[in-house]
Amino acid sequence: DIVMTQSPLSLSVSPGEPASISCRSGQSLLHSDGHTFFDWYLQKPGQSPRLLIYWGSNRASGVPDRFSGSESGTEFTLKISRVEADDVGVYYCMQALETPYTFGQGTKLEIK
Amino acid sequence: EVQLVESGGGLVQPGESLSLSCAASGFNFRSYWMHWVRQVPGKGLVWVSRINEDGRITNHADSVKGRFTISRDNAKNTLYLQMNSLRGEDTAVYYCVSDLGGRLGNWGQGTLVTVSS
Repeated sequence: DIVMTQSPLSLSVSPGEPASISCRSGQSLLHSDGHTFFDWYLQKPGQSPRLLIYWGSNRASGVPDRFSGSESGTEFTLKISRVEADDVGVYYCMQALETPYTFGQGTKLEIK
Repeated sequence: EVQLVESGGGLVQPGESLSLSCAASGFNFRSYWMHWVRQVPGKGLVWVSRINEDGRITNHADSVKGRFTISRDNAKNTLYLQMNSLRGEDTAVYYCVSDLGGRLGNWGQGTLVTVSS
């Protein structure tokens, strides 16, 4: 199985400040079609998870441009340029290159 | 609007069976792979199973292989998860999820399965 390792596991950020979450995959997630099968999800309190970023750096429909994803080999980063109160929740990374799809442990974002 | 509505969760004893359903609407259900993902309350997300568009290809996590079966009825726009020989560690919220090409694009609200004597 591909191991996904997130850091940090918790984050406390003041409104308006930037935030960054990292995820490392145990192997390359580059598919033969040229896409990187790596996503970011956000699960807000009491809600189902929601897709934020797919293929490493593409924002899903309706996701504010404050959110951005980047990749460098097997290292992936989710950045929030200016954190808002509505961004609280748990952020998960996930690989979809092969089954079993595997998630990171989750990073809990709180507002200071 | 895409909607995925799970049902069938509940309390069962270890060793018993349960069948989950997911009613899909608002998109062309028969054209998409579908998944089940579960989450122990307060814990992380765990992928369980997936099925291709016509139901001929399925994959399951090792932890449920041989006990769970994913299936679909495209005429009814419904995804299923048959769970047999349930164990305490299967206790979780089960989410029905649509696959938009390697990404889990739409999630249901989840249905809670509790396995306990």
